[in-house]
Formats: sequence, structure tokens, C-alpha cells
Amino acid sequence: ELKVEQNPLFLSMQEGKNYTIYCNYSTTSDRLYWYRQDPGKSLESLFVLLSNGAVKQEGRLMASLDTKARLSTLHITAAVHDLSATYFCAVDRDDKIIFGKGTRLHILP
Amino acid sequence: DTAVSQTPKYLVTQMGNDKSIKCEQNLGHDTMYWYKQDSKKFLKIMFSYNNKELIINETVPNRFSPKSPDKAHLNLHINSLELGDSAVYFCASSQGSGFYGYTFGSGTRLTVV
Repeated sequence: ELKVEQNPLFLSMQEGKNYTIYCNYSTTSDRLYWYRQDPGKSLESLFVLLSNGAVKQEGRLMASLDTKARLSTLHITAAVHDLSATYFCAVDRDDKIIFGKGTRLHILP
Repeated sequence: DTAVSQTPKYLVTQMGNDKSIKCEQNLGHDTMYWYKQDSKKFLKIMFSYNNKELIINETVPNRFSPKSPDKAHLNLHINSLELGDSAVYFCASSQGSGFYGYTFGSGTRLTVV
């Protein structure tokens, strides 16, 4: 059974700092997704990572995928308050996506 | 233009009632899903349909019955609602097996009292 684990689950950080969220998964998969969810809102797609070594960047967020290690990272550079949200990674398996428990990110001014 | 739209956005109902949630997508995707997000924000797949055919049926009580009249619509009917059914239900769609990602609706917050 595919399991997706994120850490940390909660993260409080100062504006301007850098940090990384980790996503490990238990079985082979070629696709990994990162989503953002604001309180009371839907899930917004951030990145779709399709192959080993894939790296994608959008603004202060950068995601990478290592399929051999079954690990993806979401790196936040010089955090700003607007990035406060819950971030989910999800892995594709057997025509469905399995989500991690989410990382609740709180950025302090 | 809303890509994946769900109605209603909020639903408050008493235990034992039957209710439906509707979902429509205008992206031309061929696969649609229902996900449940519980109070701890954990997201779990319930069903998926591909071109009106049921593909995935996770361990969900029989009280939940999805219906897909065409590939643009996937509705969720819930019989005999229980307190534990309170959650946010998200509809999603994808083209094929999600190569381009999955698009989520805005969610339906169901509260059973």
C-alpha cells in the first residue's frame, strides 16, 4: 500500500528565512504533485514533477524529485507572509493520487 | 469560467437525511474523482470515474453512491447521513491518468447535526 509522509507537519518561520518541506513515499511512482491550500479554500496545483531529477521553480518555491530515493522537497526561499498555507504533496499510483497529511506553514512577519 | 464547479458550497443537514452534491467540469477531462477531507485536513480518495465508468471505489460505506451521467458530471449521493460524514468533499478531474495534474473544485462543506 502506498504511503506518503510529509515532514514537518507544522512549521512556523520568520519572514526572510529559507526552509524545506520533505515528502517521502513508499512505493515506486513516476509522478509527484505539490498543492497549496489556504484555509477554507480548494487545492491549488503548484508543481507536477514527472521524472527523476525534475526541478521546477515558481517565485520563492522550488520543488525537486528523486525517484530513486522516493523523495521530493519543496524549498522556500526568503519566505514572505503570503506563503502561509497548508502544502500537500501527493503521489500518483494506480490511477489515483494519494496525499500526504500536509504541512501547515505559518510565516511570521 | 470555473473549471470544476461543485454545488452546494455548504450543506447543513440532520442525521438520517439523504443529500446530494453535484460536480461539473468544463475542461474536457475524461476522469473525475471524489475526495473527502476530514477535520484534520487529511485527504482521501473515495471514487473515480473514467468516461462514466467506475474505476476506483475505495472502502466507502454503501450509503455513498456516485453517479456519472456523462463524462463532465459526477454527483455524490449520500443516504442516511451520520455525524461522522461531516467533512469537506472535493470533486476533481484529470485528463487520462493525471499526467498534467488534477484540478480540484472549491469543495462542499457538509455538516451533519
